[in-house]
Amino acid sequence: DTGVSQNPRHKITKRGQNVTFRCDPISEHNRLYWYRQTLGQGPEFLTYFQNEAQLEKSRLLSDRFSAERPKGSFSTLEIQRTEQGDSAMYLCASSSADRQDEQYFGPGTRLTVT
Amino acid sequence: AQKVTQAQTEISVVEKEDVTLDCVYETRDTTYYLFWYKQPPSGELVFLIRRNSFDEQNEISGRYSWNFQKSTSSFNFTITASQVVDSAVYFCALSEWGPYGGSQGNLIFGKGTKLSVKP
Repeated sequence: DTGVSQNPRHKITKRGQNVTFRCDPISEHNRLYWYRQTLGQGPEFLTYFQNEAQLEKSRLLSDRFSAERPKGSFSTLEIQRTEQGDSAMYLCASSSADRQDEQYFGPGTRLTVT
Repeated sequence: AQKVTQAQTEISVVEKEDVTLDCVYETRDTTYYLFWYKQPPSGELVFLIRRNSFDEQNEISGRYSWNFQKSTSSFNFTITASQVVDSAVYFCALSEWGPYGGSQGNLIFGKGTKLSVKP
């Protein structure tokens, strides 16, 4: 059983550009979560899916952010018109139906907006 | 409001010392979950333990032990006989019971405690 994978691992982009990240959860995990972590802070929740349905979104998720999980497997997180404040590590996690509260994290995508 | 406080920003110990990482939480719910995660220098968060609010039994797993006290809203983590490989940032997290059953989904993390274990 492979763990949660995320691509790319690093992304450098110029302010104003759009970026998209991908997360592949542990197979059979029906819940998928996105978090953002800045230096010296704990992860902050952004959104989560149960299968294809996006069940919750944080106030941190501005209109420039959109997440999808079209087939209930992998998920994408898109940031439009990036700003320097978007620079962070974006973490994805997944959990299974029978142990929903045990979230297993991927290695993250580090975004740098110049 | 939900909140997790890890007052210790950094702790440095010498190998084989015991060390306790403090975690204090705030929640208005009577049903919730508490967690500890480890983030080694490689960056990937590693799940260590989950505890629900109905279970105040302390838990021991090898050199790790956890002390949950609802009366003081604390969920402290002790590493016995620390090793260099224990060097990492440790996060305490809280999740409330959600409308869809089980954890609400969003983990609320503390700011973490950076543990350095020197040989």
